[in-house]
Amino acid sequence: SAVISQKPSRDICQRGTSLTIQCQVDSQVTMMFWYRQQPGQSLTLIATANQGSEATYESGFVIDKFPISRPNLTFSTLTVSNMSPEDSSIYLCSVPVQGADGYTFGSGTRLTVV
Amino acid sequence: GQNIDQPTEMTATEGAIVQINCTYQTSGFNGLFWYQQHAGEAPTFLSYNVLDGLEEKGRFSSFLSRSKGYSYLLLKELQMKDSASYLCAVRGQGYSTLTFGKGTMLLVSP
Repeated sequence: SAVISQKPSRDICQRGTSLTIQCQVDSQVTMMFWYRQQPGQSLTLIATANQGSEATYESGFVIDKFPISRPNLTFSTLTVSNMSPEDSSIYLCSVPVQGADGYTFGSGTRLTVV
Repeated sequence: GQNIDQPTEMTATEGAIVQINCTYQTSGFNGLFWYQQHAGEAPTFLSYNVLDGLEEKGRFSSFLSRSKGYSYLLLKELQMKDSASYLCAVRGQGYSTLTFGKGTMLLVSP
């Protein structure tokens, strides 16, 4: 299955600033997914990032707050903009497993907004 | 939409068997997944069911009944390292995305 390198692993940010999270995959994948996991909660899908087109956002998430880039088939970024303490979460990227059913996750970015 | 329900937490003893249930209501169905997540780590894939029945993988088995909207994850010969959160996730028909339940925190004690 694909190996995903996600950076940064953690960060502490001031409110009002922005943080960009990167995911690099060791193989080409059509779809990449970005999730948020708030403290003590399960994963919530933020958006699906397809190469060459705009990301598709889930209800409750908007592009102005969570802009996504997908410049090629192995890389994507998620930016958390104008952060507030409510954005403190773990953010994870995920890709489908090639040739099998299942999804691989990046190691996650633990974001704390102060 | 999707609605997925699983118990919040469970406890069990080392060496025992535990069954974690998951019920779902979905507008379409294209597979059910179980993931294990240790604290501070990313989820790791455990099992996948798309047809009714039992899938066995070593100490872990997963069962699906599509007509009942029901699945369970069975963990045998529990070990301390099995203490983790277990996430049930459903993939809707025609979609590639997963909807996750809130997770079941399993605590294995000596």
